Amino acid sequence: AQSVTQLGSHVSVSEGALVLLRCNYSSSVPPYLFWYVQYPNQGLQLLLKYTSAATLVKGINGFEAEFKKSETSFHLTKPSAHMSDAAEYFCAVRGANSGGYQKVTFGTGTKLQVIP
Amino acid sequence: GAGVSQTPSNKVTEKGKYVELRCDPISGHTALYWYRQSLGQGPEFLIYFQGTGAADDSGLPNDRFFAVRPEGSVSTLKIQRTERGDSAVYLCASSPGAPTEAFFGQGTRLTVV
Repeated sequence: AQSVTQLGSHVSVSEGALVLLRCNYSSSVPPYLFWYVQYPNQGLQLLLKYTSAATLVKGINGFEAEFKKSETSFHLTKPSAHMSDAAEYFCAVRGANSGGYQKVTFGTGTKLQVIP
Repeated sequence: GAGVSQTPSNKVTEKGKYVELRCDPISGHTALYWYRQSLGQGPEFLIYFQGTGAADDSGLPNDRFFAVRPEGSVSTLKIQRTERGDSAVYLCASSPGAPTEAFFGQGTRLTVV
């Protein structure tokens, strides 16, 4: 079984401020973790992924996330928010078992608002 | 193809009608997923194909929903006797295999009136 919890359905930051979007996961097997971004009326685009290599993962648009097994977390950060970062962000988990790989399970999303 | 293609992009149907939604995955991708996204929600898993077979269909809400992938490429999601609660954006994604990410199409917005 696997699940994802995203804390905060809405986050507002000022332009230039730190962005921190929280994600905690639950997985009975070693997880693969993803962050996706969705702009209004568009599909989901991958920001970054963790697949058991380096625990600090860098993605597109200056975002990064750190896998912390002890905290079962995979929080998304960006040092300085830009107006173009306003979108909805989804954390997702995919586990692996002896029968192969499991489905990708998504969190409920966090809408990021950037205030000028 | 260059990306995952879903057709139609929008579909309006009357309650009780049958609809088919098509997904054309990225060429060579063996895994294909269907998700449903309601307003303000995250994508909800429906079904996952590995090749031609459904590896996990635990997300299909009831027997009105069915999906096929006969040749291991294009997939069709079929909904019988549509209900207003079926209105959502239906997302398709494909993947070349684990442990890679899924690549999403733009979705089909289904509205049942």
